[in-house]
Amino acid sequence: AQKITQTQPGMFVQEKEAVTLDCTYDTSDPSYGLFWYKQPSSGEMIFLIYQGSYDQQNATEGRYSLNFQKARKSANLVISASQLGDSAMYFCAMRERGDMRFGAGTRLTVKP
Amino acid sequence: DTGVSQNPRHKITKRGQNVTFRCDPISEHNRLYWYRQTLGQGPEFLTYFQNEAQLEKSRLLSDRFSAERPKGSFSTLEIQRTEQGDSAMYLCASSLVASGFGDTQYFGPGTRLTVL
Repeated sequence: AQKITQTQPGMFVQEKEAVTLDCTYDTSDPSYGLFWYKQPSSGEMIFLIYQGSYDQQNATEGRYSLNFQKARKSANLVISASQLGDSAMYFCAMRERGDMRFGAGTRLTVKP
Repeated sequence: DTGVSQNPRHKITKRGQNVTFRCDPISEHNRLYWYRQTLGQGPEFLTYFQNEAQLEKSRLLSDRFSAERPKGSFSTLEIQRTEQGDSAMYLCASSLVASGFGDTQYFGPGTRLTVL
């Protein structure tokens, strides 16, 4: 069964605008962690942000914030003030125990 | 500042040959993970180590795959009798486990395997 779902294969955003990338997950475990990674065309996976299942507040890291809605099992990534360098694949991931499961990714293109 | 390194970066081999990849984690990181990523997909978990102990293996890791981390530092991933379906990017990541699930995994640049 698919544990992580990213329903947007591709997204476009105008430079300097905000964009939300969707992620829903499925787990019956009360303890888990949610992650977002960025993968530019160079191929490296770059960690962006982390949210723990027991965290009361939404995580923020600079221009990145995670909109965590636990009851809906969603963990959307919000990128504010998009830059051309934000164009990349973005992966949502969940960790329940040892392994980490990734979604299929969303390709974000920032237009000048 | 040295991140996770992987060698080789690219490997082309013929079907049926054995290949071995190496991953050097960030020093002092006690966990090391292997993933496989095919085009257009997210990484798929293969296995992970805590120090030298292999704690979990995915069902994706067939008998032709074996991973080691003999001294709790670098790790090798060997694929025996390669098949064309093994063609993928093999990613390594490392982390420092504290508590909970928040240990951030830092990825290497990957090894791209092409099986002809």
